[in-house]
Amino acid sequence: ELKVEQNPLFLSMQEGKNYTIYCNYSTTSDRLYWYRQDPGKSLESLFVLLSNGAVKQEGRLMASLDTKARLSTLHITAAVHDLSATYFCAVDEGGSEKLVFGKGTKLTVNP
Amino acid sequence: DAEITQSPRHKITETGRQVTLACHQTWNHNNMFWYRQDLGHGLRLIHYSYGVQDTNKGEVSDGYSVSRSNTEDLPLTLESAASSQTSVYFCASSESGGTDQETQYFGPGTRLLVL
Repeated sequence: ELKVEQNPLFLSMQEGKNYTIYCNYSTTSDRLYWYRQDPGKSLESLFVLLSNGAVKQEGRLMASLDTKARLSTLHITAAVHDLSATYFCAVDEGGSEKLVFGKGTKLTVNP
Repeated sequence: DAEITQSPRHKITETGRQVTLACHQTWNHNNMFWYRQDLGHGLRLIHYSYGVQDTNKGEVSDGYSVSRSNTEDLPLTLESAASSQTSVYFCASSESGGTDQETQYFGPGTRLLVL
């Protein structure tokens, strides 16, 4: 059974600082997704990572995938208040196109 | 523009009643999914479908059913609503193929309260 763990679950950081959110998963998969959710809203797709070593960047966010370590990271550079949200990673279960989600990381960026 | 919609957006019902949540997508995607989101649990898969007439159980399917009679719709039915089914429900869809652009697109969600 695929399990997906994110850490930290809560992250409070100052504007301008850097930080990394980690996503570990328990069984082999080479398809991983990152989503953002604002309070009371739906999930917005951020990144799709489809192979080992994949790296994607959008603005102040950069995601990477290491399938051998079963680890993905979401790195935040020079955080700004607008990045405050909950971030989820999700892993495709054995190529089935079903996603197993982590519990999410609630990020708060303080001025 | 293609989209995925859910209705109703908010629903209050009583225990024991049957409730149906609608999901409609205009992406022409083969895959459709229902999730529930609860504090401390993230999103959990209820049911999913890979195409017309195909339905499958997810991690938390007890008490729920779905049917897929066309590509665009996957309604979720709570056979006899229970207080434990109070949650936010999200519908999602995706295309098959594993391309770089493939992802699941989520609807706006339905907040269900079972009293």
